[in-house]
Amino acid sequence: DIVMTQSPDSLAVSLGERATINCKSSQSVLYRSNNKNYLAWYQQKPGQPPKLLIYWASTRESGVPDRFSGSGSGTDFTLTISSLQAEDVAVYYCQQYYATLTFGGGTKVEIK
Amino acid sequence: QVQLQESGPGLVKPSETLSLTCTVSGGSISSYCWSWIRQSAGKGLEWIGRIYSSGSTNYNPSLKSRVTMSIDTSKNQFSLNLSSVTAADSAVYFCVRSKGANLHIDVWGQGTTVTVSS
Repeated sequence: DIVMTQSPDSLAVSLGERATINCKSSQSVLYRSNNKNYLAWYQQKPGQPPKLLIYWASTRESGVPDRFSGSGSGTDFTLTISSLQAEDVAVYYCQQYYATLTFGGGTKVEIK
Repeated sequence: QVQLQESGPGLVKPSETLSLTCTVSGGSISSYCWSWIRQSAGKGLEWIGRIYSSGSTNYNPSLKSRVTMSIDTSKNQFSLNLSSVTAADSAVYFCVRSKGANLHIDVWGQGTTVTVSS
């Protein structure tokens, strides 16, 4: 299994400030034949299922605000919320789909 | 817009079989990949397995000996059976869709809570 490790476990950010979440995979999720990173980011609010934000490491899902962005390649990835809004309070998960599916442990984002 | 709805018993006795069904509405079950994922406080989000509209399956190796999935394209439903359950199988179970193998999940069901207890 590819192990996904997220950091930090939680972070508190002031409204309007930047939030950065890191995700590291135990092996590369870059498929060289198509140069795509098989990495997605999800947002989960209490009592709701996860919601897709980003796929292919940096492609924003339709309808997702552009303050959310994904970057990275190979084994190291980042989700950035450029200007935190109150509605962004949630737990964020990275997930690889290079080899079946595995998820990171989640990062809880709160308002400072 | 495709919607997924899980159904099944919320309480299962230890050693028995957990059975859940996912009903797909607003779209066809054909030509997609359908998975079950569970979420518990102890193990986070865990992929259980997937089934294609052809009936082909792949299971998480850690659960493979206890998992069976099936699909009924005429009813737009797919199902999960997990045998010999223990308290460790208590979780919220989600059915989800991917547009193909090795693709991200784009649709999630709301999830159903299953508790294993006598």
